[in-house]
Amino acid sequence: KQEVTQIPAALSVPEGENLVLNCSFTDSAIYNLQWFRQDPGKGLTSLLLIQSSQREQTSGRLNASLDKSSGRSTLYIAASQPGDSATYLCACSYNTDKLIFGTGTRLQVFP
Amino acid sequence: NAGVMQNPRHLVRRRGQEARLRCSPMKGHSHVYWYRQLPEEGLKFMVYLQKENIIDESGMPKERFSAEFPKEGPSILRIQQVVRGDSAAYFCASSPEIVNQPQHFGDGTRLSIL
Repeated sequence: KQEVTQIPAALSVPEGENLVLNCSFTDSAIYNLQWFRQDPGKGLTSLLLIQSSQREQTSGRLNASLDKSSGRSTLYIAASQPGDSATYLCACSYNTDKLIFGTGTRLQVFP
Repeated sequence: NAGVMQNPRHLVRRRGQEARLRCSPMKGHSHVYWYRQLPEEGLKFMVYLQKENIIDESGMPKERFSAEFPKEGPSILRIQQVVRGDSAAYFCASSPEIVNQPQHFGDGTRLSIL
């Protein structure tokens, strides 16, 4: 069964900290893995997409890594800001293009 | 360059009524996906459509739910004879025909059943 798990479920940090969000998946035969953020009452904003052949992707203060053999991905956020407060979701795509979502990490960055 | 447009943003229905949710994909995108987010739960895949074709409906409940993506116009998710358990946020995403491209999401329709 294809399952995606994220830990921690919630995280509260002071502004300026570097932090790591974790995502694990049971089926390593992924096509790609995508990280999203979701603000309360809003839709999902795509942050990074890592193809199965890639090891990492970077965008600004965000860096996502992928280790297929261990079934893990991490999202690294450098120098966190209050505006980073949101729920972060990872999602795996397999051979039918549908996304299997993780349970999310609710992040709060306080000033 | 408008993103994925969903309407209405909020929809209230009484038990037994029908709900119609609309999704216009991003310009140039021919693939549409519907997902449901129940309160305090993660997003679950429902259905994947291309123009005039249902590709994968493995996540759709067998009864009362249907989806279409006609040649002209938006994709429609239809829920007949709604029940309280249908209350959720319904999200639409779209992607281009090229494989392995990110899915772009709309802001969702929040359905409340009285």
